Amino acid sequence: EIVLTQSPATLSLSAGERATLSCRASQSVSNYLSWYQQKPGQAPRLLIYHASNRATGIPARFSGSGSGTDFILTISSLEPEDFAVYYCQQRSNWPLTFGGGTKVEIK
Amino acid sequence: EMQLAESGGGLVQPGGSLRLSCAASGFTFSSYAMTWVRQAPGKGLECVSLISGNDGSTYSADSVKGRFTISRDNSRDTLYLQMNSLKAEDTAIYYCAKLASGWPRDAFDIWGLGTMVTVSS
Repeated sequence: EIVLTQSPATLSLSAGERATLSCRASQSVSNYLSWYQQKPGQAPRLLIYHASNRATGIPARFSGSGSGTDFILTISSLEPEDFAVYYCQQRSNWPLTFGGGTKVEIK
Repeated sequence: EMQLAESGGGLVQPGGSLRLSCAASGFTFSSYAMTWVRQAPGKGLECVSLISGNDGSTYSADSVKGRFTISRDNSRDTLYLQMNSLKAEDTAIYYCAKLASGWPRDAFDIWGLGTMVTVSS
């Protein structure tokens, strides 16, 4: 099973600041890496697929990069609605696995 | 608009069974792979079962293998999860999600609101 490790567990930032979230895989997943956002009481929402492609309707302030084992999700300037938990997911091998999540909270 | 609506959750005793349903609308259901993802209270996400859209191949996590069965009825645009021999650790919100294609390793682009399953005596 491929293990995804996300860091940091919690990121405390202010609106307008840049957020950088990391996801590291225990073995190469090529670019089969997705990012999801989850707000309290809501279902997850797809943000990024194939490591760097924004899903439909996702604002340009969200960007993804990386390949192989190391991936980054960047939010260029945090908006109030961006404070949430973010999960990475690998789709290279079954079982499809998620990282433990990074909570982006208001500082 | 593409939508998914789960139903069938509830309180069940350990060792009991439940069948979850997920009604799809707004897209050609038979063309897409589908999955069930669960989230235990205060925890992260776990993909428990997946069914492809082309050949109907199924995949199950080790934690549910032999107990949960995923299936689909393309004539009813409905996904199912039959859960048997339920354990306390199966307590979670169960989400159904649509994959972006029929390929069983695509991104999960549409999610339902989830249904809560509680296993307790």
